[in-house]
Formats: sequence, C-alpha cells, structure tokens
Amino acid sequence: GAVVSQHPSWVICKSGTSVKIECRSLDFQATTMFWYRQFPKQSLMLMATSNEGSKATYEQGVEKDKFLINHASLTLSTLTVTSAHPEDSSFYICSARDAGAANSPLHFGNGTRLTVT
Amino acid sequence: AQKITQTQPGMFVQEKEAVTLDCTYDTSDPSYGLFWYKQPSSGEMIFLIYQGSYDQQNATEGRYSLNFQKARKSANLVISASQLGDSAMYFCAMTAPGTYKYIFGTGTRLKVLA
Repeated sequence: GAVVSQHPSWVICKSGTSVKIECRSLDFQATTMFWYRQFPKQSLMLMATSNEGSKATYEQGVEKDKFLINHASLTLSTLTVTSAHPEDSSFYICSARDAGAANSPLHFGNGTRLTVT
Repeated sequence: AQKITQTQPGMFVQEKEAVTLDCTYDTSDPSYGLFWYKQPSSGEMIFLIYQGSYDQQNATEGRYSLNFQKARKSANLVISASQLGDSAMYFCAMTAPGTYKYIFGTGTRLKVLA
C-alpha cells in the first residue's frame, strides 16, 4: 500500500530556533500534501495544503511566515517552523493522496512530536 | 460549510463484542466521501474504511463496516468482534470533491476491556 514517511518522529529544540519536518511519499506521486497539527486529546486541524511547484495554501489563522512549506518535488514536502516558541509545541502530521488512484484515501505519515523549550 | 460531529468522547466495549461509533455530518455538496481513521497512542493515522456519497451499499473492510444512512447524514463505524488492539482514538472525516481536504470530527476514544 501507499506509504508516507515523515521525519523526524520527534524533536526538541530551543526557543527561537527553526525546525524542519520532512514528508515523503515513498511509492507514489503526490501533487498535493496536507499538513495537520494536533494538540493533546484533540482532533487534527488542517494547517495548509502543499502544492507541488507552487505556493502553499494556508488555512485561516495559520501564519504563513511562521510555518514555511515547500513542495519541491512530487514526493517531498517540508514544513519549517521558524523561530519556534513553546506554544508551537505540538504533534504535526502530514498526509498525501495517491493522485493516480481513484477514490484513494489520504495516507498519513507517523507524525512529528515537537517540543520547544 | 461542511461539518463532522462525533458525539461520543469515549466508549468502552467488552472484548469480542461489537461496538458502534457514531458520526454525523453536514454538507450541501451532493458528492462527498466519508472516511474513518484509527489513531493508536503512538500517533499514526491508520485508514480503516471509505464510503462514497453515491455508493449504494454500505462499505465493509474485514471487521469494520460503515452504517451509512444518507437521509440522516450519518456514517457510523461498526467494529465487530472487538480486540484489545482496537483500543485507540477513532476519527470520522469527510471531504468535498475537488479539494481532498479532510475535515475531521473530534474523535472517539475506544477502550476494549478484557
């Protein structure tokens, strides 16, 4: 089946530094990937839609300068949390859809647990 | 606007019994997809089952079945013969055509008792 690899699975960083999270579709091409954020015991909140070769589309209330998204190829999207602060600590999870498969569901990475100290 | 509602924050079920997790939705689009995902404590999102709005029959995947009642706008997940490994968060989600953006419900935490 379709596999989405997300790296790192967890990261601890100091306040003010930037953190990059990678999301790769391993065995399919994904023109669109999605980045979600999940607070403890809450649902997934869509942050942005990552489009290959063009700018990402951000959901209302999500700072695009804070959460930089780059979708440089059909198999890779990156999310960079810039100048991280403790309130950015959260679980970030990416997803992708196999564009070549009809009615294909979104496949999710295993998520990245970010802790900002 | 689309909306997904899961009214059960937590559920208990005895091992080997069946359990139904509720999901209702609201949309004005005639074409949509409904999905259920399982999220264990490790965090990954595992796809379970899909139901298209035009599908005539309820979807089934092994021990999972989806009780789709279009007129009532409900898409309940039925897990038969519960196993201890089924203990997890379960999310209902829907998508509108052409976007593939998923809207998630708030989830139901299922605990299977031995």
